[in-house]
Amino acid sequence: GNSVTQMEGPVTLSEEAFLTINCTYTATGYPSLFWYVQYPGEGLQLLLKATKADDKGSNKGFEATYRKETTSFHLEKGSVQVSDSAVYFCALKNQGGKLIFGQGTELSVKP
Amino acid sequence: DVKVTQSSRYLVKRTGEKVFLECVQDMDHENMFWYRQDPGLGLRLIYFSYDVKMKEKGDIPEGYSVSREKKERFSLILESASTNQTSMYLCASQTGEGAKNIQYFGAGTRLSVL
Repeated sequence: GNSVTQMEGPVTLSEEAFLTINCTYTATGYPSLFWYVQYPGEGLQLLLKATKADDKGSNKGFEATYRKETTSFHLEKGSVQVSDSAVYFCALKNQGGKLIFGQGTELSVKP
Repeated sequence: DVKVTQSSRYLVKRTGEKVFLECVQDMDHENMFWYRQDPGLGLRLIYFSYDVKMKEKGDIPEGYSVSREKKERFSLILESASTNQTSMYLCASQTGEGAKNIQYFGAGTRLSVL
């Protein structure tokens, strides 16, 4: 079956530190991969996506590359800010429309 | 911009009450979804709908039902609320069923059942 595994949080970083949140997946076929972000008290927003192998999604300084050989879609940012503090969800979607989410990783950035 | 609106941000209900959570989207999307979010478990799909009057069970439908009488509105119903249904509920909508299509989420309803 389809599943997504993320690194456990919480992750605590100082401002301007480098961020990596690991995400690996198991899927049949050729899924699309997504990162969603949830800021405190809000719903989920799409952060970035990649729809085929070797695609790189990027937005707001975050990026992730669809690696089919390692079944991974790790999220990275070179220099985090306090405003990046949020919960990050990795997700996959096959044809059929259902999103499969990881358990979420909480990021806390300290000034 | 796509807008998915959930009618309440916070709700407090008593055990045994019938609870309605309402969700409206303004982008004429065919597909709508209800999830619950619990710490350490991520989002789990309760029910979804591909069209008016159509519904499909998700991964955890027990204790819930849904209604989709109009394309823009998707309601989640707790027939008899229980304390284990205390959670954050998120509604989403999406156009089409393709793997590339994006789901758009509402702000969520935090439900407490006492």
